[in-house]
Amino acid sequence: AQSVTQPDIHITVSEGASLELRCNYSYGATPYLFWYVQSPGQGLQLLLKYFSGDTLVQGIKGFEAEFKRSQSSFNLRKPSVHWSDAAEYFCAVGPRGTGFQKLVFGTGTRLLVSP
Amino acid sequence: DVKVTQSSRYLVKRTGEKVFLECVQDMDHENMFWYRQDPGLGLRLIYFSYDVKMKEKGDIPEGYSVSREKKERFSLILESASTNQTSMYLCASSPGNWDTEAFFGQGTRLTVV
Repeated sequence: AQSVTQPDIHITVSEGASLELRCNYSYGATPYLFWYVQSPGQGLQLLLKYFSGDTLVQGIKGFEAEFKRSQSSFNLRKPSVHWSDAAEYFCAVGPRGTGFQKLVFGTGTRLLVSP
Repeated sequence: DVKVTQSSRYLVKRTGEKVFLECVQDMDHENMFWYRQDPGLGLRLIYFSYDVKMKEKGDIPEGYSVSREKKERFSLILESASTNQTSMYLCASSPGNWDTEAFFGQGTRLTVV
């Protein structure tokens, strides 16, 4: 069965420091890959997605993610964190070819930003 | 802007009540989804619909049903609410292809007492 693992439940980063959030997936074939962010009291917003091609994907708000097939990983990075980045981040995978966009989500990583 | 609107942000219901959670999208999307979000468990798919009157079970459909009589509206029904259904419920919609994203509502926090 497909699954997504986000090993870090909480991460605290100083403002201005770099950030990396980890995501590993288990899937029969390379799925579509997504990162979503959820600010407090809000729904989920798409940060970026990987379908094919260049394995380094740029997203909104200065985020990027790198797909590594050999490691079944899709880690999210940002070079300099801002206080407004404090939120919960979800990695998700979706099956190719169904058209139904049935996403499987990880358990989330809550990012805390210290002054 | 695409909008997915959930009718209530907060709901408190009693055990055994029949509960309706409503979701409306304004972008003529084919697909609509109901997820449940719990701490430490992430989002889990309850039901989804890919067309009017069509529905498919997700990963945790037990205790829930859905209705999609119009394309823009997708309702989640708790036939007899129980305390273990206390959770955050998120609705999402998407077009019928992968080129665009799924859009989420702001969520309904349901408490069953």
